Amino acid sequence: AQSVAQPEDQVNVAEGNPLTVKCTYSVSGNPYLFWYVQYPNRGLQFLLKYITGDNLVKGSYGFEAEFNKSQTSFHLKKPSALVSDSALYFCAVGGPTGGFKTIFGAGTRLFVKA
Amino acid sequence: GAVVSQHPSRVICKSGTSVKIECRSLDFQATTMFWYRQFPKQSLMLMATSNEGSKATYEQGVEKDKFLINHASLTLSTLTVTSAHPEDSSFYICSARETGGGAVDTQYFGPGTRLTVL
Repeated sequence: AQSVAQPEDQVNVAEGNPLTVKCTYSVSGNPYLFWYVQYPNRGLQFLLKYITGDNLVKGSYGFEAEFNKSQTSFHLKKPSALVSDSALYFCAVGGPTGGFKTIFGAGTRLFVKA
Repeated sequence: GAVVSQHPSRVICKSGTSVKIECRSLDFQATTMFWYRQFPKQSLMLMATSNEGSKATYEQGVEKDKFLINHASLTLSTLTVTSAHPEDSSFYICSARETGGGAVDTQYFGPGTRLTVL
């Protein structure tokens, strides 16, 4: 069975500082990993994904994530946070092993203070 | 990028009535669509996988007779909440997986439908 964990309910960071939102996963086979962002009362917006290739994946809005197979992690990062980055972030795992169903983590709320 | 729409965005209904929510892929064909439910301050819970031209596959614990899913075309899936009750109040989100070519491994999400049952 596939699963994904986001150990932090909330992350607080000052504007201009780097941010990291953590994610670990458990899958059989090669993982398809995703990050999505959700703003209040809105659907999810795709940020980035890892399927294969370079472990460092660059995505939308300056976000990037690093796939680490040995640690089964896929942490989301941004070098310099913006207040507008404040939102709910979901890590997800999917792919052909699970019939392309996407399983979401519990979500991490990011607060960026000016 | 690919766009998925949902209609309505918000619906309020009386207990016992049925509500239909539409999910459309606007600029791509989607063999597979997914329906999720999200409670306040919680993650998305997959309810069912909707495949065009065949019966939906429901996740464990989801009542298929209560949440009717129809995927009649490659661009439209509908979720009907039958005999809705207040506990069905939630945020329902659909997603569509692009068919063939391009990013077939990426799901595109609709904006969600807020259902409130009085």
